[in-house]
Amino acid sequence: DVKVTQSSRYLVKRTGEKVFLECVQDMDHENMFWYRQDPGLGLRLIYFSYDVKMKEKGDIPEGYSVSREKKERFSLILESASTNQTSMYLCASSLRAMGTLSYEQYFGPGTRLTVT
Amino acid sequence: AQSVTQPDIHITVSEGASLELRCNYSYGATPYLFWYVQSPGQGLQLLLKYFSGDTLVQGIKGFEAEFKRSQSSFNLRKPSVHWSDAAEYFCAVGPYSGGGADGLTFGKGTHLIIQP
Repeated sequence: DVKVTQSSRYLVKRTGEKVFLECVQDMDHENMFWYRQDPGLGLRLIYFSYDVKMKEKGDIPEGYSVSREKKERFSLILESASTNQTSMYLCASSLRAMGTLSYEQYFGPGTRLTVT
Repeated sequence: AQSVTQPDIHITVSEGASLELRCNYSYGATPYLFWYVQSPGQGLQLLLKYFSGDTLVQGIKGFEAEFKRSQSSFNLRKPSVHWSDAAEYFCAVGPYSGGGADGLTFGKGTHLIIQP
């Protein structure tokens, strides 16, 4: 079974703090993704990575950065947390698609971040 | 840009009744389509996927979905729902048109409520 784990299920941080969310997958997947989930807005892609040290912006990258130093680990960084970044953060991984075949994504359990 | 519409924010169904959740997509090429389910406090779990071939696909937990290209739809169905099916359901389309890795675009979700 594919396993995607996230470092924390719940996190409370203060405005202005630097926040690290960690994600680890154990299936040697090339692709990794960070989404945020908000009621009524569904899942929105923040950043993704298709290889070590490679990253691409998603739909809402502002206020976030990412790091992928090892294939199995993908970190989301909030440089200076703000209250509007209070949300559920979901990490996912997938195989790199061959040709035009898109592989399904496997999700972690999520981190509910509250910024006060 | 690609998009996914789930027209029903909430659906209430009696236990044992049939279910259909609607999904419409906008995509410039042949889409790859997915349905995910999210139980409260959990990450997303893949129910089923369509890549090509038979337009009626079977998934886990007794779910099925039908791809209709002429209607740009990929509706999810179940003949008889169980109380444990109460959850949030997400439709997704890929690959991501933003370039880079093989991301997905998600709908905003449909919240399924099961009445006893």
